[in-house]
Amino acid sequence: AQTVTQSQPEMSVQEAETVTLSCTYDTSESDYYLFWYKQPPSRQMILVIRQEAYKQQNATENRFSVNFQKAAKSFSLKISDSQLGDAAMYFCAYRRGGGAQKLVFGQGTRLTINP
Amino acid sequence: DTAVSQTPKYLVTQMGNDKSIKCEQNLGHDTMYWYKQDSKKFLKIMFSYNNKELIINETVPNRFSPKSPDKAHLNLHINSLELGDSAVYFCASSQEASRETQYFGPGTRLLVL
Repeated sequence: AQTVTQSQPEMSVQEAETVTLSCTYDTSESDYYLFWYKQPPSRQMILVIRQEAYKQQNATENRFSVNFQKAAKSFSLKISDSQLGDAAMYFCAYRRGGGAQKLVFGQGTRLTINP
Repeated sequence: DTAVSQTPKYLVTQMGNDKSIKCEQNLGHDTMYWYKQDSKKFLKIMFSYNNKELIINETVPNRFSPKSPDKAHLNLHINSLELGDSAVYFCASSQEASRETQYFGPGTRLLVL
């Protein structure tokens, strides 16, 4: 079974600084997708970024980028120029390829932004 | 223009009661999901429907019964509620044929007293 591990229960960063959240996963599949979701106090699950396993290029969305190391099964999220609105729980998630697959989530990392 | 909506947002009830949570998506997606987030924030799949057909059923007590009247709706009915059912329940949808991202509803916080 696939597993996703986030080893940092909590992280904090100064506003305007850069922070990296870690995620590792375990799978024997070659076709899969990885995601980072953000859950602010409003509890809405918001997609931050998505990476297809077949793509070598790391995904980027504005201030958010990933470091996808396929051989090491590592998928970290880098947030640049941290803003107060980035404070939230961040979840790493894995999805197998193929139709109608579930998301497997990590335990989450609570990110605090210090003004 | 809400994409995935859930009702109610909050539900407080007594042990032993039966309750339902409704989910609707207006994204034209063909697949819908129910996830449960426990008190430690851990998210786990419960069910998935594709074109009204149940395709994922993850070791969930049979007190939980999903129903999909059409592709845009997926409801969750819970019988004989127990204290351990207290959680946040999220509905999500995606277009699986094109392996799209899953988009989540706002969640329903269920508290069983």
